[in-house]
Amino acid sequence: GEDVEQSLFLSVREGDSSVINCTYTDSSSTYLYWYKQEPGAGLQLLTYIFSNMDMKQDQRLTVLLNKKDKHLSLRIADTQTGDSAIYFCAESNDYKLSFGAGTTVTVRA
Amino acid sequence: DAEITQSPRHKITETGRQVTLACHQTWNHNNMFWYRQDLGHGLRLIHYSYGVHDTNKGEVSDGYSVSRSNTEDLPLTLESAASSQTSVYFCASSGDRAYEQYFGPGTRLTVT
Repeated sequence: GEDVEQSLFLSVREGDSSVINCTYTDSSSTYLYWYKQEPGAGLQLLTYIFSNMDMKQDQRLTVLLNKKDKHLSLRIADTQTGDSAIYFCAESNDYKLSFGAGTTVTVRA
Repeated sequence: DAEITQSPRHKITETGRQVTLACHQTWNHNNMFWYRQDLGHGLRLIHYSYGVHDTNKGEVSDGYSVSRSNTEDLPLTLESAASSQTSVYFCASSGDRAYEQYFGPGTRLTVT
């Protein structure tokens, strides 16, 4: 939706790091999320971060949250061909989610 | 294993027809959601339910309705299908931990 914005495309070389950025407007957001959608499939929750955290690391994934600037990023280390997908940023302050338009990540050899 | 399913996976219908998309979850989740996915818009919330007999409108609810008669199912009805409702529809559910929202595989609906 309009409350969550992210760039539409990212191309990255295999083995490099990918960084996907997102901005949101709702300062009362409790959780912020990154979802992954592979072709023809539903959305899969990759990771989430609680709004009082600055960083969360989970294996190859690092989430950074700048609450002052309402900026969220997802870094994927050692990007692999299986990481090619659409990545959605989302926020919530109750059970409902508001999604960005999605960033299509293409991993090239 | 618990899961969330949608049917049909693909549907072609004509303008003006009534269409119902099914969503069934075996997680025993209280919360269920319907989204539509369109290029450039991401996912937009159509309707949601926090429990049996509870339904609420989302940001794009016009032309859609839902009913919740049990915990497992939240069918989405298009009363009179329009070409603007051609989209991919996703159902999702969540329990008490709001951040764990599980998505179905989606239904691709084409209105001709």
